[in-house]
Amino acid sequence: GEDVEQSLFLSVREGDSSVINCTYTDSSSTYLYWYKQEPGAGLQLLTYIFSNMDMKQDQRLTVLLNKKDKHLSLRIADTQTGDSAIYFCAESESSASKIIFGSGTRLSIRP
Amino acid sequence: DVKVTQSSRYLVKRTGEKVFLECVQDMDHENMFWYRQDPGLGLRLIYFSYDVKMKEKGDIPEGYSVSREKKERFSLILESASTNQTSMYLCASSTRTGELRGYTFGSGTRLTVV
Repeated sequence: GEDVEQSLFLSVREGDSSVINCTYTDSSSTYLYWYKQEPGAGLQLLTYIFSNMDMKQDQRLTVLLNKKDKHLSLRIADTQTGDSAIYFCAESESSASKIIFGSGTRLSIRP
Repeated sequence: DVKVTQSSRYLVKRTGEKVFLECVQDMDHENMFWYRQDPGLGLRLIYFSYDVKMKEKGDIPEGYSVSREKKERFSLILESASTNQTSMYLCASSTRTGELRGYTFGSGTRLTVV
């Protein structure tokens, strides 16, 4: 079945770039998402990318997609304390399909 | 501002109790979902619904049931709560077409079964 994998923890220094990586198995994945969950809150959609794109940039966020290797990454430039959260990678075959979530990467920021 | 509202942020229930978790959305979304979130396991889909009175099992439906009598409300029922159902429960909704916005999530209900 479909699977989305990501590492559980990442620690970066404030001001550095954070790179969160994700791999997925479903070659039919058309939409790939990054969600952010702040402490005590639900998930919030950060950004998404279509499978026919290689890169998407939105202010401090850069999403890179390597479709051949089924690898997705989220880069956060100039990481701030407010970026501390759990980041979920997710995929779906269509905009109406069920979304499959990874286990989440907890990003912690050190001074 | 569009919203998915879960009725309780925190709940403590006793083993064997029947527990109702309520979720209401004000976006006229067709699809609604219940997940549980556990450390290291991410989000696991319990049940979902594509329309009123319709329900589909997700990946871990055992010990749970759902009810969708109205479009805006999706209830998760723990028939006889057990300690292994202690978890964070997240409700989500989306349009039938998805509209490229993925899901809108509620803030979650942290359930403790003692």
